[in-house]
Amino acid sequence: SQTIHQWPATLVQPVGSPLSLECTVEGTSNPNLYWYRQAAGRGLQLLFYSIGIDQISSEVPQNLSASRPQDRQFILSSKKLLLSDSGFYLCAWTQGKGTTEKLFFGSGTQLSVL
Amino acid sequence: GIQVEQSPPDLILQEGANSTLRCNFSDSVNNLQWFHQNPWGQLINLFYIPSGTKQNGRLSATTVATERYSLLYISSSQTTDSGVYFCAVDRYSGGGADGLTFGKGTHLIIQP
Repeated sequence: SQTIHQWPATLVQPVGSPLSLECTVEGTSNPNLYWYRQAAGRGLQLLFYSIGIDQISSEVPQNLSASRPQDRQFILSSKKLLLSDSGFYLCAWTQGKGTTEKLFFGSGTQLSVL
Repeated sequence: GIQVEQSPPDLILQEGANSTLRCNFSDSVNNLQWFHQNPWGQLINLFYIPSGTKQNGRLSATTVATERYSLLYISSSQTTDSGVYFCAVDRYSGGGADGLTFGKGTHLIIQP
């Protein structure tokens, strides 16, 4: 069966520090991968999505970037965190075109920028 | 982009009650999903339902695509049903699209 792993679960970082959140999917190949952010406990905003290795699309201009160095690995990064980057970050995946389109989420990372 | 409105925003019920959550969307969709976010933040996919009706235990969902709304029914509520319920839609199907657009959710509290 397919599983999605996301870490760390919580992170407290000072303003101006770098960020790296990692997400991996097991039990499938060629997944579509997504990074969402949830602020104030409500509403999810799509940040990045990827349909393949090194293929990243950004939905919202921001202080963040994403990379997909391997088929089942998706990384969210920042060179210098801002206070406004605080939030709950969720990685998600779907199987991709022509197959089931259900979206499955990782357990999330609560990021606090102080 | 497509707009998704969920109602009610908040709902408090006693254990054993039934509830109906609504999701309205502003454009034709080929992908609609319902999620439950538990108090610990985990999002669980409940239904993939771009049209028609599905049931899973005490939960069922109906989407009337031509009228641009979907309903989530919860029967015989339990305290574990508490959390936030999200509706999410996409104009496109078949994966590889630019991701789902989420509503703001319905915050459900089931009291014992």
